[in-house]
Amino acid sequence: KQEVTQIPAALSVPEGENLVLNCSFTDSAIYNLQWFRQDPGKGLTSLLLIQSSQREQTSGRLNASLDKSSGRSTLYIAASQPGDSATYLCAVIPDKLIFGTGTRLQVFP
Amino acid sequence: GAGVSQSPRYKVAKRGQDVALRCDPISGHVSLFWYQQALGQGPEFLTYFQNEAQLDKSGLPSDRFFAERPEGSVSTLKIQRTQQEDSAVYLCASSLERPAVTTNEKLFFGSGTQLSVL
Repeated sequence: KQEVTQIPAALSVPEGENLVLNCSFTDSAIYNLQWFRQDPGKGLTSLLLIQSSQREQTSGRLNASLDKSSGRSTLYIAASQPGDSATYLCAVIPDKLIFGTGTRLQVFP
Repeated sequence: GAGVSQSPRYKVAKRGQDVALRCDPISGHVSLFWYQQALGQGPEFLTYFQNEAQLDKSGLPSDRFFAERPEGSVSTLKIQRTQQEDSAVYLCASSLERPAVTTNEKLFFGSGTQLSVL
């Protein structure tokens, strides 16, 4: 059974720091890996999708990498801002999304 | 519509009451998923539709949970005889194709229905 784990569970940092969020999964037979952001009381917003044949994707200050063989993905956030405060979820896609429990990020001014 | 729409936004039910949660996916999206998200947890898969066909219902926690999508667009998740452990946010997501079929396919999520069972 696929299990997805995210570390750390929570993170509080001052504005401007560069951050690394970690996601690990137990079964490397995946099609894609997707990173989402969830704001309190709201649905999920897709940030980046990495296809199984890719090693990384970038969007603005966000960079996500994927290493299928080791069952790991990292989300790198450069120059963090208070508006980045949210819960970040990774999900792997064998045929449906299987989510991790998320990293709750707080960026303070 | 512009995005996935879910209603109601909040639902408070007494234990034993039946509830119905609605999802309007993005127009033209073939795939529709329901997820349950307990407080402090990641979303967990409940069921999947491709058009009107329910292809996977392996995540439904009990036979009190029932989902339908009769015309291949709007979907309803029904929970009978609600219990306190059913309290969660119920999320609906849609995509143009099934994510595993097209490797660059993204899921688009609604804002969810927060169900509280007292």
